[in-house]
Amino acid sequence: EPEVTQTPSHQVTQMGQEVILRCVPISNHLYFYWYRQILGQKVEFLVSFYNNEISEKSEIFDDQFSVERPDGSNFTLKIRSTKLEDSAMYFCASSERAGGYNEQFFGPGTRLTVL
Amino acid sequence: SQKIEQNSEALNIQEGKTATLTCNYTNYSPAYLQWYRQDPGRGPVFLLLIRENEKEKRKERLKVTFDTTLKQSLFHITASQPADSATYLCALDPQGNTGKLIFGQGTTLQVKP
Repeated sequence: EPEVTQTPSHQVTQMGQEVILRCVPISNHLYFYWYRQILGQKVEFLVSFYNNEISEKSEIFDDQFSVERPDGSNFTLKIRSTKLEDSAMYFCASSERAGGYNEQFFGPGTRLTVL
Repeated sequence: SQKIEQNSEALNIQEGKTATLTCNYTNYSPAYLQWYRQDPGRGPVFLLLIRENEKEKRKERLKVTFDTTLKQSLFHITASQPADSATYLCALDPQGNTGKLIFGQGTTLQVKP
């Protein structure tokens, strides 16, 4: 069964460093998302992406964050200058069609630890 | 303010019983609700979606109801098994068509053999 994959599974970085989290969505999906979950808290929406553009972003997704689809398979989240509070689990998701009538398929997550 | 609330206390039940989890929302008018399962350290897994014009949706041992007057969705697992132990999340798309899901904090279910 097709699945969303994410690398790395765990990333440790120093405050102020740049990190890139990578995702390979399901191949025929067209809509891509990033969410994050701080330990013990809710899953929070960061950004949605379609047709090489950001469709929607939350207030968390400030200028420190960017997303890119550099080729036909990868979808990346970059954090330019990490802060301690960026420590969280980051989930990539994809869906075949837009809108909430469609289920989203989540990856296993990347645990980001900022020291 | 807008809220999605799930019972934050863990639900402990005996194997074979029916588990009922609640999702209440305030100041949203969602066209549908989704339910996901999340295991520790893993990503959410989609279970069911129910639309505003559907009172009830079933899938195997799972049943979801949606009451737009009460602003509440109930999620039932019948004949529960220890393998059903997980955190269950409800989610909605405030604008209905963006895919931007807003999640509740989840209810952890523990099914004891």
